[in-house]
Amino acid sequence: GENVEQHPSTLSVQEGDSAVIKCTYSDSASNYFPWYKQELGKRPQLIIDIRSNVGEKKDQRIAVTLNKTAKHFSLHITETQPEDSAVYFCAAAYSGAGSYQLTFGKGTKLSVIP
Amino acid sequence: IAGITQAPTSQILAAGRRMTLRCTQDMRHNAMYWYRQDLGLGLRLIHYSNTAGTTGKGEVPDGYSVSRANTDDFPLTLASAVPSQTSVYFCASPLIRERPGLARYNEQFFGPGTRLTVL
Repeated sequence: GENVEQHPSTLSVQEGDSAVIKCTYSDSASNYFPWYKQELGKRPQLIIDIRSNVGEKKDQRIAVTLNKTAKHFSLHITETQPEDSAVYFCAAAYSGAGSYQLTFGKGTKLSVIP
Repeated sequence: IAGITQAPTSQILAAGRRMTLRCTQDMRHNAMYWYRQDLGLGLRLIHYSNTAGTTGKGEVPDGYSVSRANTDDFPLTLASAVPSQTSVYFCASPLIRERPGLARYNEQFFGPGTRLTVL
C-alpha cells in the first residue's frame, strides 16, 4: 500500500517569512496529492491539491509542487501570517476505479511567530 | 463544512464498555471513512465504506466495527473499549469532483470529530 512521509514534524517561522513542508510517497500509481490544514480543535480542511499531470499549482500565498520522478511534493506558504499557524497534512491517493482513499502524512505543526 | 455530523462531541468511557460513535452525512456521497487522530501519528484510516451495504478495513481496524445500512449513516462501534482507543475520531466523506479533461478525484470532507477518552 501507499506510504507517505512528511517533514518536518514541527516548523517555526517569523511572520512574513516563507514556510516549506515536504512529503514523499511510495506508490507510483498515486495521482492526486491534497494538502489539509487543521487549526487547533477543528477538523482538517482542504487548502490546495495537485494532480499528477501538473508540476506546480498556486493559490494566492500557497503553492504546491510535484516531482513525480522523485515521488515527492511540497507545500510552500509565502508571507506567512499568524493565522497560518496550524497543523498541515499532506496526502496521496490513486483516484480511479472507484477507489478514493487517501493516505496521510503524520502532519507538520507550523507556528508563525509575530 | 455543513453536511457531516458526528455524535457525541466528546465522551469519557470506562474500559470494557461498548460505545458507538455516530456519523451522518446529508450530501448523498457514496463513500464514507472513519479515521483516528493521535498526536504524532496523523490521521489513520480505521474502516471505510465505498457504498451502502459494503465496508472494508483500513490501516488500524482491530477493536472496531462498522456498518453501512444506508447512504447517510456510518456508525463506528467499539465492542469493548480499551485505553489505547483514547483518540479523536473523525468521520469523512469524499466529494467526487470532475474537472474537464481530467479524471475524477476526491475532495474529502471531515466531520467535526469526537474526542473519546477510555479510562
